[in-house]
Amino acid sequence: DIVMTQSPDSLAVSLGERATINCKSSQSVFSSSNSKNYLAWYQQKLGQPPKLLIYWASTRESGVPDRFSGSGSATDFTLTISSLQAEDVAVYYCQQYYGTPRTFGQGTKVEVK
Amino acid sequence: DVHLVQSGAEVRKPGASVKLSCKFSSSTLTDYYIHWIQQAPGMGLEWMGLIDPQDGETLYAEKFQGRLTITADTSTDTAYMELSSLRSEDTAVYFCTAEKVVPPAPGPRWFDPWGQGSLVTVSS
Repeated sequence: DIVMTQSPDSLAVSLGERATINCKSSQSVFSSSNSKNYLAWYQQKLGQPPKLLIYWASTRESGVPDRFSGSGSATDFTLTISSLQAEDVAVYYCQQYYGTPRTFGQGTKVEVK
Repeated sequence: DVHLVQSGAEVRKPGASVKLSCKFSSSTLTDYYIHWIQQAPGMGLEWMGLIDPQDGETLYAEKFQGRLTITADTSTDTAYMELSSLRSEDTAVYFCTAEKVVPPAPGPRWFDPWGQGSLVTVSS
């Protein structure tokens, strides 16, 4: 199984400041056949299902604010919220879809400082 | 847009079974693989298994092998997840979610959309 490890487990950021979440996979999720990283990011607010933010490691889902961005390749990935808004308070998960079982990171809780 | 609507909360005693449903809002069930995800209270997301509604083929996580059955009814655009031999550790919210199949070369894709979740409480 591909193990996904996020860091930090939680972070508190002032409104308008940058939040950075890291995700590391135990093996590469990059496919040389199509040059894509099989990595997605989800946002889960309290009491709600996860919501897709980013796929292919860096492609923003339609309707997702452009303050959210994804980067990285192979085994190391980052989700950045460029200017934290109050509505961004949530738990964020990375997930690999390179292999089965599909696996998630343990989640990173983002709060307002 | 496709929406997934899940069945309501359930309470079961240890040793019992529970069957949850996940209804597609439109007749597109066979355009997707359906996955089920477990989220225990205060915990993260754990993949349980998937079904290809086109042929009924399933794949289950090792942790749930032998207790989990995922099925799909294409006539009603509904997927089901049945978990048996319930124990207290199975108390969780269960989500269905969909992975779009994009021919002609359908490869793995992300999960979108998600159902609203179904709470299962296992208690004596």
